[in-house]
Amino acid sequence: DQQVKQNSPSLSVQEGRISILNCDYTNSMFDYFLWYKKYPAEGPTFLISISSIKDKNEDGRFTVFLNKSAKHLSLHIVPSQPGDSAVYFCAAGSSGSARQLTFGSGTQLTVLP
Amino acid sequence: DAGVIQSPRHEVTEMGQEVTLRCKPISGHDYLFWYRQTMMRGLELLIYFNNNVPIDDSGMPEDRFSAKMPNASFSTLKIQPSEPRDSAVYFCASSIVAGGPYNEQFFGPGTRLTVL
Repeated sequence: DQQVKQNSPSLSVQEGRISILNCDYTNSMFDYFLWYKKYPAEGPTFLISISSIKDKNEDGRFTVFLNKSAKHLSLHIVPSQPGDSAVYFCAAGSSGSARQLTFGSGTQLTVLP
Repeated sequence: DAGVIQSPRHEVTEMGQEVTLRCKPISGHDYLFWYRQTMMRGLELLIYFNNNVPIDDSGMPEDRFSAKMPNASFSTLKIQPSEPRDSAVYFCASSIVAGGPYNEQFFGPGTRLTVL
């Protein structure tokens, strides 16, 4: 039973265009969400987060949107750059369950020059 | 800080052999997590520790898997006996309770395990 789902295993985007990565969750207890980026042969690194009390959080080219009613979040990258090519993991956590995060299966983003 | 350190980076072994993966968390971090990454299931949490004490091991797939944290700066994940289906990348991550509300975890580079 996957509580965090990333239904698109891969996404290709042209350089300079917008990349939109999607994530769905089922557990209503999740109250904060994170995105991690992973390059080959490296561990995931934290990218951006959002609390359930917000519907948007922006950091430079990266924006995360949260739709609580739909249990859906998305990561927008504008403009996309070749260096953004990586696997992106969505993760969710609950303030009531210690430090545990539940991760999605990841989406491979390829930005074409 | 050197970040989370894992060893070995690559391990190739034969079915039935014992495998030990090692992790050194970031100094001062009080939570340590072991994950397994596969193509089919993505990042799965296997077990996590708080102040060296195992808190939740419900993700450990079988009794063949065991994990220990004898002190704040070292943890091991052991598979005995190993099987080909254990082939995956194993990540260790650490975090600190005072690190903010979003429980950011810092990952090591991973150990790629291949069981033949």
